[in-house]
Amino acid sequence: EVQLLESGGGLVHPGGSLRLSCAASGFTFATYAMSWVRQAPGKGLEWVSGINNSGGSTYYADSVKGRFTISRDNSKNTLYLQMNSLRVEDTAVYYCAKDPFPAAVTNYFDPWGQGTLVTVSS
Amino acid sequence: EIVLTQSPATLSLSPGERATLSCRASQSVSSFLAWYQQRPGQVPRLLIFDATNTATGIPARFSGSGSGTDFTLTINSLEPEDFAVYYCQQRSNWPITFGQGTRLEIK
Repeated sequence: EVQLLESGGGLVHPGGSLRLSCAASGFTFATYAMSWVRQAPGKGLEWVSGINNSGGSTYYADSVKGRFTISRDNSKNTLYLQMNSLRVEDTAVYYCAKDPFPAAVTNYFDPWGQGTLVTVSS
Repeated sequence: EIVLTQSPATLSLSPGERATLSCRASQSVSSFLAWYQQRPGQVPRLLIFDATNTATGIPARFSGSGSGTDFTLTINSLEPEDFAVYYCQQRSNWPITFGQGTRLEIK
């Protein structure tokens, strides 16, 4: 069974940093592209960032470009999101999500982890 | 950026009825469109990809249609667990974008 377990969320002041992790199991992690998608409280879904299976290609939403960095460690089956210069509007539940198809970047998301809440507030 | 507009915002139906949800793109996304379901308190799950393909494990009452700019998610014979929020998502152009969602509620 595919499992994605996010961690690292919490309360941070504006301008601060956090590093999210997503521990993957139940599939060959190194074969699949991965993404981060966020959902502000009571709001819709917003794609944040994606990375191909090798880690050689990364993609970002304009709203986070230059502030967030996605990476992965295939030896540890873990996806990361380094978030710097955090803003109040970054407050959201952050989900990691797996590409449903191997060795491709389809930019569809299935399944999703349970999410980790990031709150940016003074 | 491609804007996806979903309608209606809220749809009130009874179990057993058919639901028809719409997603319109601000420019063509070809067939590169997906639908997700998010039940209350749960994470989103993929229902349909590439406009018409049903994801693994999704019941046959869910179907997708459309191409270009106009897409439809149809749910035949609604079950109680189908009452949720539905999002469309395009992968045709960067950035990847989602619609604002349609809430399907019990009438």
